[in-house]
Amino acid sequence: EVHLVESGGGLIQPGGSLRLSCAASGFTFSSYAMSWVRQAPGKGLEWVSALSSSVGVTYYAVSVRGRFSISRDNSKNTLYLQMNSLGAEDTAVYYCAKVISGWYTDLDYWGQGTLVTVSS
Amino acid sequence: QSVLTQPPSASGTPGQRVTISCSGSSSNIGSNTVNWYQQLPGTAPKLLIYNNNQRPSGVPDRFSGSKSGTSASLTISGLQSEDEADYYCAAWDDSLNGRGVFGGGTKLTVL
Repeated sequence: EVHLVESGGGLIQPGGSLRLSCAASGFTFSSYAMSWVRQAPGKGLEWVSALSSSVGVTYYAVSVRGRFSISRDNSKNTLYLQMNSLGAEDTAVYYCAKVISGWYTDLDYWGQGTLVTVSS
Repeated sequence: QSVLTQPPSASGTPGQRVTISCSGSSSNIGSNTVNWYQQLPGTAPKLLIYNNNQRPSGVPDRFSGSKSGTSASLTISGLQSEDEADYYCAAWDDSLNGRGVFGGGTKLTVL
């Protein structure tokens, strides 16, 4: 059974940094692209970033380019999201999700999410 | 403001058929496939439809998707009370060096 478990969220001051992790199990992690999607309180879903399975191709939403960095450690079956220069607009639940194949918005399994709150 | 446009709300009575629309452009829906997600309150989104009209295993055939040009739609037949949720469309967008885009979401109320 596929499991995705996010961690690393919490309260952070504006301008700070945070690294989220997503531990994957139940599938061959190295064979699948992964995405991060966030949801601000009471708002809709926003795609954040994606990373290919092996060749390291990355994509970012315009709102986070230059501030966020996605990476993976296939030996640890873990996906990461390094978030820098955080602002109030980054407050959200962050979900990691597994890509079925092809497009990075084809997300068949999601974690339970981790809450990031940016506030002084 | 979302790149994909959905109506903010929809409603129906049990047994009815409801359709939710999703409008995009040539750089997203017009050239790539569409997915639909269901999100129940307090839970993570669940994939309902991928590749415009394909259902993952376990998704009832009451849920169907279609695409035409730069628009897509999700149809729920035989509406049930447990279908009350938020529904989101999504697609890959080829502009701005490539990015994922979601619709703003449609809250479905079962009357």
